[in-house]
Amino acid sequence: GAGVSQSPSNKVTEKGKDVELRCDPISGHTALYWYRQSLGQGLEFLIYFQGNSAPDKSGLPSDRFSAERTGGSVSTLTIQRTQQEDSAVYLCASSLDSATSNIQYFGAGTRLSVL
Amino acid sequence: SQQGEEDPQALSIQEGENATMNCSYKTSINNLQWYRQNSGRGLVHLILIRSNEREKHSGRLRVTLDTSKKSSSLLITASRAADTASYFCATDLGNTPLVFGKGTRLSVIA
Repeated sequence: GAGVSQSPSNKVTEKGKDVELRCDPISGHTALYWYRQSLGQGLEFLIYFQGNSAPDKSGLPSDRFSAERTGGSVSTLTIQRTQQEDSAVYLCASSLDSATSNIQYFGAGTRLSVL
Repeated sequence: SQQGEEDPQALSIQEGENATMNCSYKTSINNLQWYRQNSGRGLVHLILIRSNEREKHSGRLRVTLDTSKKSSSLLITASRAADTASYFCATDLGNTPLVFGKGTRLSVIA
């Protein structure tokens, strides 16, 4: 696609439910990143995929959070048993290759609201 | 603690004035990048400056980097109302994800 695509753009869920957020990176980009941004705050790194390497999960805040990247392309971020503090905008970014060009291209994000 | 921290947190100026935002960081870097975020949108890359560069220009943007002081500045000249956004610096430490600061919220008043 022309850019990074995220879906849904908005998600409202009830506390305790599971949610899945999807990211379609730019075709050919080998690196994919997930961030979380709370209202008026900076970006909190969650997880990073680079090619076929094991993902860097060091930013995941709890074991309720997981992500996978199938076929080196589309990624899904899953939050189990959502809590109100999970409410935030979840941003996905991709880059051509993290080692040679770490310029990141962002999607518009998914705004998650946990009631 | 944050690797990159922007200063000021918020800035309000009149259209036509220049806007300067600063970024300080703690460890050695490969490069430093500036991004812009309009309300409700993702971040957009503006400019990248490598650790061996001191100044870079792109249109109305001027970025400086002082590795001895571990700081960078972003100057927007002749600001426009459309420049209203949040601006983030991000440090590239090499083989790790970029580390973003908390951003500076710029308001340009017409």
